Amino acid sequence: DTGVSQDPRHKITKRGQNVTFRCDPISEHNRLYWYRQTLGQGPEFLTYFQNEAQLEKSRLLSDRFSAERPKGSFSTLEIQRTEQGDSAMYLCASSLGTGLSETQYFGPGTRLLVL
Amino acid sequence: GNSVTQMEGPVTLSEEAFLTINCTYTATGYPSLFWYVQYPGEGLQLLLKATKADDKGSNKGFEATYRKETTSFHLEKGSVQVSDSAVYFCAPAGGTSYGKLTFGQGTILTVHP
Repeated sequence: DTGVSQDPRHKITKRGQNVTFRCDPISEHNRLYWYRQTLGQGPEFLTYFQNEAQLEKSRLLSDRFSAERPKGSFSTLEIQRTEQGDSAMYLCASSLGTGLSETQYFGPGTRLLVL
Repeated sequence: GNSVTQMEGPVTLSEEAFLTINCTYTATGYPSLFWYVQYPGEGLQLLLKATKADDKGSNKGFEATYRKETTSFHLEKGSVQVSDSAVYFCAPAGGTSYGKLTFGQGTILTVHP
């Protein structure tokens, strides 16, 4: 069990550019979540995958955001035409189970700065 | 949807003091309740959890009891240490068929020697 990993750890980009983040969950975890955390706030839910199926997207996730989890393994989060308001820490978490009580294990996050 | 009201910080204590961080929530259905902690320079990690009414979660000397009647999940520790300095987040998971977490804004705890 090597934990959840995210790549890159830091990303600086110019407004209008596209960026893509990757998350590798704990092996065999069927659930994968993306959250966004801005300075001084708690993480906010963005989207959820059960295996390869994306089952929920937050209203926070505008049309510029897209996420995939091909084959139910790693996941990518892409932001098109980045805006300064997209600057935040993007967190990925994974869990194993079918209910409400299983623990989500978080990755270290990708910190995005849009100039 | 779910919501969380968490005690505002920052909280500053001396070592060996008693700690309480209040958390109340609103949630659809019967949520599971979590406290996550973020130590300086580290990622979020689970501190403790409780899955049904009157359950007490505990870990590292911290405790929290699931109080359904008051919709609360207050975090307590009898004697804090400098190493407990971190940001603490209360988060219910509920309202859906899976474990989506709704986080509070976090409480910064600083413990001085």
